[in-house]
Amino acid sequence: EIVMTQSPGTLSLSPGERATLSCRASQTITSNSLGWYQQRPGQAPRLLIYGTYIRATGTPDRFSGSGSGTDFTLTITRLEPEDFAVYYCHQYGFSPPHTFGGGTKVEIK
Amino acid sequence: QLVESGGDLVTPGGSLRLSCAASAFPFSTFSLNWVRQAPGKGLEWIASISSSSAYIWYAHSVRGRFTISRDNGMSLLFLQMNGLTGDDTAVYYCARTWEGDYYFMDVWGRGTTVTVSS
Repeated sequence: EIVMTQSPGTLSLSPGERATLSCRASQTITSNSLGWYQQRPGQAPRLLIYGTYIRATGTPDRFSGSGSGTDFTLTITRLEPEDFAVYYCHQYGFSPPHTFGGGTKVEIK
Repeated sequence: QLVESGGDLVTPGGSLRLSCAASAFPFSTFSLNWVRQAPGKGLEWIASISSSSAYIWYAHSVRGRFTISRDNGMSLLFLQMNGLTGDDTAVYYCARTWEGDYYFMDVWGRGTTVTVSS
């Protein structure tokens, strides 16, 4: 069973700064199965990135994904006020079919 | 496009059935999932069902107590929950799986709240 570990748990940054979020898989995963979700307080998760680096419809281009193998990264180049939220990485596998990381909270410094 | 219902306050050991109504997409062609989020915690996948119900998966935490099912004719997804404990207190989301060249949950409901307490 694959375990997805996200770091850091909390990222304290100011608007306009760059955010770098990490997600590490316990074993090699395929790039087409790695995605990122954003969750704002009181809202359902929203798909942000799929296939490691492909932005979902409506995702601003300040969001980018990268990585391969076991190490993946979500980068937000310039934080906007609406970007302060919790971010989850997600892996689609076989058994179990879905695994989420523990989340990284991006908070205002 | 996905709307959950059925969440409630239930006593420990009790049962509850959640529903998820789908619209505006070909329901019978997609795998579907239940994902929950305990208060102040992260997302936890708990169950998935394939488009024809031929394949079903459960997380260890709910296996043997929860049952996922679907009615493709009515575009409904269900989660029957038995033997509920305080650890099952959470917001329960249904979500659609996109399967193809890429795999992800692309459509989510707003969630329904289950509280297990005496």
